[in-house]
Amino acid sequence: GQSLEQPSEVTAVEGAIVQINCTYQTSGFYGLSWYQQHDGGAPTFLSYNALDGLEETGRFSSFLSRSDSYGYLLLQELQMKDSASYFCAVRHTGGGNKLTFGTGTQLKVEL
Amino acid sequence: DTGVSQNPRHKITKRGQNVTFRCDPISEHNRLYWYRQTLGQGPEFLTYFQNEAQLEKSRLLSDRFSAERPKGSFSTLEIQRTEQGDSAMYLCASSLVGQGALSYGYTFGSGTRLTVV
Repeated sequence: GQSLEQPSEVTAVEGAIVQINCTYQTSGFYGLSWYQQHDGGAPTFLSYNALDGLEETGRFSSFLSRSDSYGYLLLQELQMKDSASYFCAVRHTGGGNKLTFGTGTQLKVEL
Repeated sequence: DTGVSQNPRHKITKRGQNVTFRCDPISEHNRLYWYRQTLGQGPEFLTYFQNEAQLEKSRLLSDRFSAERPKGSFSTLEIQRTEQGDSAMYLCASSLVGQGALSYGYTFGSGTRLTVV
């Protein structure tokens, strides 16, 4: 079976740095993705890690450790517009680019 | 290209009725996915197509659910004899098979919110 664990809520202040962790258990792991979803909106692709290490895209970075079945999303210079839900998602082996999503982390950015 | 388009945005139906949703993916994307999302949860995989072929269906997808993608362009998801438990946001996404990390990202539509009363 597949399972992903993320904190349900994180609160941080504008301008700060926040890290959202994700641990996973899966029988066939190919890579880890991150998506952002604002209330009432569509999930938006942020990043994808297939190899160990850190991938940086602007203010957002994503890290993966395959040996620890662990990844995180790092958001720097937080802005109010970053308040949203963030989902990690496992891409499975076997083709298809099918994803299994975690239950999401609600990030609240405060002044 | 305006992205992934889903219609309708909202659908309220009585229990036992049939409903059909439509998804128009990004035109050059060859993979199309259907997911279901309930409040406070992440999207759950339902099915996916590569071009017109339906390659995988989740065990979540009962016999009341059917999806098609004629000619490999738009897709429809039909739910027959709706139940209250079918109330959810139905999300469509598309992606392009290819090299590089960006090709593994989905582009989601805004979803169809189904309420069964």
